Amino acid sequence: DSGVTQTPKHLITATGQRVTLRCSPRSGDLSVYWYQQSLDQGLQFLIQYYNGEERAKGNILERFSAQQFPDLHSELNLSSLELGDSALYFCASSYLTGGQNEQFFGPGTRLTVL
Amino acid sequence: QQQVKQSPQSLIVQKGGISIINCAYENTAFDYFPWYQQFPGKGPALLIAIRPDVSEKKEGRFTISFNKSAKQFSLHIMDSQPGDSATYFCAASLGGFKTIFGAGTRLFVKA
Repeated sequence: DSGVTQTPKHLITATGQRVTLRCSPRSGDLSVYWYQQSLDQGLQFLIQYYNGEERAKGNILERFSAQQFPDLHSELNLSSLELGDSALYFCASSYLTGGQNEQFFGPGTRLTVL
Repeated sequence: QQQVKQSPQSLIVQKGGISIINCAYENTAFDYFPWYQQFPGKGPALLIAIRPDVSEKKEGRFTISFNKSAKQFSLHIMDSQPGDSATYFCAASLGGFKTIFGAGTRLFVKA
């Protein structure tokens, strides 16, 4: 158990809908990362927050947004969902000490868009 | 320049054999190179990591070899066991931000 929690575990929804994925980082970790993992794309970095502020952005679509709250939990919002958004979404957290950055991954949320 | 290329895509090794996974990167500013192991239904977990000022790091049966001039690094799993069957990701990080992952290697160790 990494100490990172993600809810829900599974999510089934329809195209065009909007969903929110939630992540609670390990106690003491200030940084939260979101990744998308699909069968043919591997692990794609979406976005990183550090202590409430956006720090790095990857291949995140404009239909997706995220935020980190004062209690350090984070939410990833996915809107106007398309079939291709079906994937595993992982949250990871780290304390972030200079260049050394061990990320602890949560169990993931499996999103299925029908 | 932000890519990390990983090979092979899949690997089958006999129990007791050596598993070797290779990665290459372009951006010389990357300063941290971790390897993650992922079992089915689980999130990736850090296996071993190396900084670019070190050419080799060994932890138990797992060794990272790092070639800075060639911009390549590899994971060697000695005495591979069926329990090592998993997907392995190499990655590269810049100042702790924006970790770029390789595409992953599915390792199957035959008993």
